[in-house]
Amino acid sequence: DIVMTQSPDSLAVSLGERATINCKSSQSVLFSSNNENYLGWYQQKPGQPPKLLIFRASTRESGVPDRFSGSGSGTDFTLTISSLQPEDVAVYFCQQYFTTPLTFGGGTKVEIK
Amino acid sequence: QVQLQESGPGLVKPSETLSLTCNVSGGSISSYFWSWIRQPPGKGLEWLGFIYYSGVTDYNPSLNSRVTLSIDTSKNQFSLRLSPVTAADTATYYCARSAVARPGFNYFNVWGQGTLVTVSS
Repeated sequence: DIVMTQSPDSLAVSLGERATINCKSSQSVLFSSNNENYLGWYQQKPGQPPKLLIFRASTRESGVPDRFSGSGSGTDFTLTISSLQPEDVAVYFCQQYFTTPLTFGGGTKVEIK
Repeated sequence: QVQLQESGPGLVKPSETLSLTCNVSGGSISSYFWSWIRQPPGKGLEWLGFIYYSGVTDYNPSLNSRVTLSIDTSKNQFSLRLSPVTAADTATYYCARSAVARPGFNYFNVWGQGTLVTVSS
């Protein structure tokens, strides 16, 4: 199985400041034939299902604000919220879809400082 | 737009069978990959398996062959059976649809609201 490790477990950021979440996979999720990273990011608010934010490591899902961005390749990835808003308080998960079993990171809780 | 809704018992006894159904509305089940994902209270997400409309399945080996997925295209729904269950299977169970109707792109852009299943005598 590909193990997804997120850091930190939680972080508190002031409104308008940058939040950075890291995700590391135990093996590369870069598919060489199309040069795509099979990595997604989700946001989960209390009592709600996860919501897809990013796929292919850096492509925003339709309707996702552009303050959310994804970067990285191979085994190391980052989700950045450029200017934290009150509605961004949530838990964020990364997920690899390079191979089954599909696996998720443990989650990062983002709060307001 | 496509919507998913889980249904089934909220309480299951240890050693018995957990059975859930996901109803698909607003679109046809006859394409895409359809998954079950669970989340124990306060914890992370675990993918259980997916099923294609043709009936092809892929399961998470961590479930030790306890999971079975099925699909009924005439009713536009798919189902999960997990047996036997223990307290460790207590979780919110989500059904979800892969974003792309092709193999290998199993990230999820449509989710049900989730249903909490408690395993207890």
